[in-house]
Amino acid sequence: EAEVAQSPRYKITEKSQAVAFWCDPISGHATLYWYRQILGQGPELLVQFQDESVVDDSQLPKDRFSAERLKGVDSTLKIQPAELGDSAMYLCASSTRSTGNEQYFGPGTRLTVT
Amino acid sequence: AQSVTQLGSHVSVSEGALVLLRCNYSSSVPPYLFWYVQYPNQGLQLLLKYTTGATLVKGINGFEAEFKKSETSFHLTKPSAHMSDAAEYFCAVISIQGAQKLVFGQGTRLTINP
Repeated sequence: EAEVAQSPRYKITEKSQAVAFWCDPISGHATLYWYRQILGQGPELLVQFQDESVVDDSQLPKDRFSAERLKGVDSTLKIQPAELGDSAMYLCASSTRSTGNEQYFGPGTRLTVT
Repeated sequence: AQSVTQLGSHVSVSEGALVLLRCNYSSSVPPYLFWYVQYPNQGLQLLLKYTTGATLVKGINGFEAEFKKSETSFHLTKPSAHMSDAAEYFCAVISIQGAQKLVFGQGTRLTINP
């Protein structure tokens, strides 16, 4: 069964350092999402891509976060500089146009900022 | 804006007992509704969803949920709990109007007692 891939699974970094996460959606899925999940809370959408275009980044802290999906396939989320409050699980999900209301999630990247 | 309320951040039941996890949404127009399960340090897995049609929806692992428009609820149930059901459960909604953003509740941690 096809799955959303994410790497790394765990990342520990010091504050003020740069960190990047990678996501490879299910093949053929045009829509890709990045979520942040703080411990004890539900995921919150950071950015949504349709193919290579950003369709919603209203909750992305643009002073330190950036996201790209250059060829409309895999995607990278970057934080620079990382802050203590960025410690969270970062989840990637994908969906198809035909089943846009069902999102498939990857295993996530657990980020710890020290 | 859509919002989701999950009553009870922590629910504990005995093995073999009924599981009931509560979810209420706020929307003037019934949205699409979802329940996801998350095991420790993993991504989210879809349990079941309601879009249209029959209001009683059956999902994986013996779970089911009933959409009640008059109560704006979508409670999750399972007749007999199993130890493997211990996890975090999230209710989520997508509005069928405007920005189709998946909005999650805060989650309910289900503990199963032997």
